Amino acid sequence: NAGVTQTPKFRILKIGQSMTLQCTQDMNHNYMYWYRQDPGMGLKLIYYSVGAGITDKGEVPNGYNVSRSTTEDFPLRLELAAPSQTSVYFCASHRGTEQYFGPGTRLTVT
Amino acid sequence: KQEVTQIPAALSVPEGENLVLNCSFTDSAIYNLQWFRQDPGKGLTSLLLIQSSQREQTSGRLNASLDKSSGRSTLYIAASQPGDSATYLCAVRGGSEKLVFGKGTKLTVNP
Repeated sequence: NAGVTQTPKFRILKIGQSMTLQCTQDMNHNYMYWYRQDPGMGLKLIYYSVGAGITDKGEVPNGYNVSRSTTEDFPLRLELAAPSQTSVYFCASHRGTEQYFGPGTRLTVT
Repeated sequence: KQEVTQIPAALSVPEGENLVLNCSFTDSAIYNLQWFRQDPGKGLTSLLLIQSSQREQTSGRLNASLDKSSGRSTLYIAASQPGDSATYLCAVRGGSEKLVFGKGTKLTVNP
């Protein structure tokens, strides 16, 4: 199993641009999550999904959108990027107990 | 609203020392608690998971305890090594299936 994979690893965006962060898991997990981590802070939940076709907002959803058309994929869309969205983004999944994380996407908006 | 606090924010110790990292949470209605390790610029690696019905879990030199009623967990690292240097994050899962994270403890083990 590859586990949770994320692309790209790094990205620089200009203010107002849009992009999609990709996340895929091959463990057949129902639950998937998107977090952001700012320097010196813990992880904050952006959006999560309990299964294909079902998504819900987390703690900091503004400026982001998600979709979950398959069990495996959970892309995160940034519309009209802002400097406040400069962060490291982690995708995660779980079913049952332990949560598994992807390697992260480091995004800079200038 | 669940809040997770980790103390200290940073810790520097000499190699070979035994150490304890602390985690507290405000809502004791949790399903489990998980300790993660994060190396600089990297993702999170799960170290130990304690179910709400358990008191402790051990893996090698690591031991995590859970006192749900008092809202506390500790991560004990025995005979610390420079390779243990990393940020350690505590997270709790409640009924919503969402993990709530602390801000982490940055550990430096000096040779």
